Amino acid sequence: EAQVTQNPRYLITVTGKKLTVTCSQNMNHEYMSWYRQDPGLGLRQIYYSMNVEVTDKGDVPEGYKVSRKEKRNFPLILESPSPNQTSLYFCASSYRHRDRYTDTQYFGPGTRLTVL
Amino acid sequence: AQKVTQAQTEISVVEKEDVTLDCVYETRDTTYYLFWYKQPPSGELVFLIRRNSFDEQNEISGRYSWNFQKSTSSFNFTITASQVVDSAVYFCALSEAVSGNQFYFGTGTSLTVIP
Repeated sequence: EAQVTQNPRYLITVTGKKLTVTCSQNMNHEYMSWYRQDPGLGLRQIYYSMNVEVTDKGDVPEGYKVSRKEKRNFPLILESPSPNQTSLYFCASSYRHRDRYTDTQYFGPGTRLTVL
Repeated sequence: AQKVTQAQTEISVVEKEDVTLDCVYETRDTTYYLFWYKQPPSGELVFLIRRNSFDEQNEISGRYSWNFQKSTSSFNFTITASQVVDSAVYFCALSEAVSGNQFYFGTGTSLTVIP
């Protein structure tokens, strides 16, 4: 089954304790991305990756890191989480066309993060 | 400036009524793609439709229809004879061919269908 998986689904942590949210896709998609969803703000892109070893900042990258060492995985790292990073996080992947547009994104189930 | 605007924050309708969700976008690209996603109360994001900028034909899928008008930069979504299962948050999104790396979402419209 084609899917995007995220782990963990729920996480409660404390300020400053490093954490990693994993994301994996089995569709051989070039493009992967992380979003955070907050009430009234919709989904905002944190980081995206067009292919292995290629990553770039989205609209709200501060406080986050990513890496893309393998095509299927795109972990999101919070080196020193703060309460304002409490949010619902989604990973997504998509095929990337030759004319450079990003096709339909398929989303993981989401990770609800609470930073105390 | 917002690239995708969904001015309706919340809408409530009575079951079987028709409802239209508005989406206005902003881009300078001639080639771009528009999307609608549904987020039911369970939280997952479900893809509904994708349209490219060269295809302005309206599309109908069962009770769902989409009206794409480049002249007004709008991509509106209509649900006919709404049902309780349509209650969800709906997001409109834009992907541009030139700067096709980023994906822009609107802030969403929360639809409640009252039985």
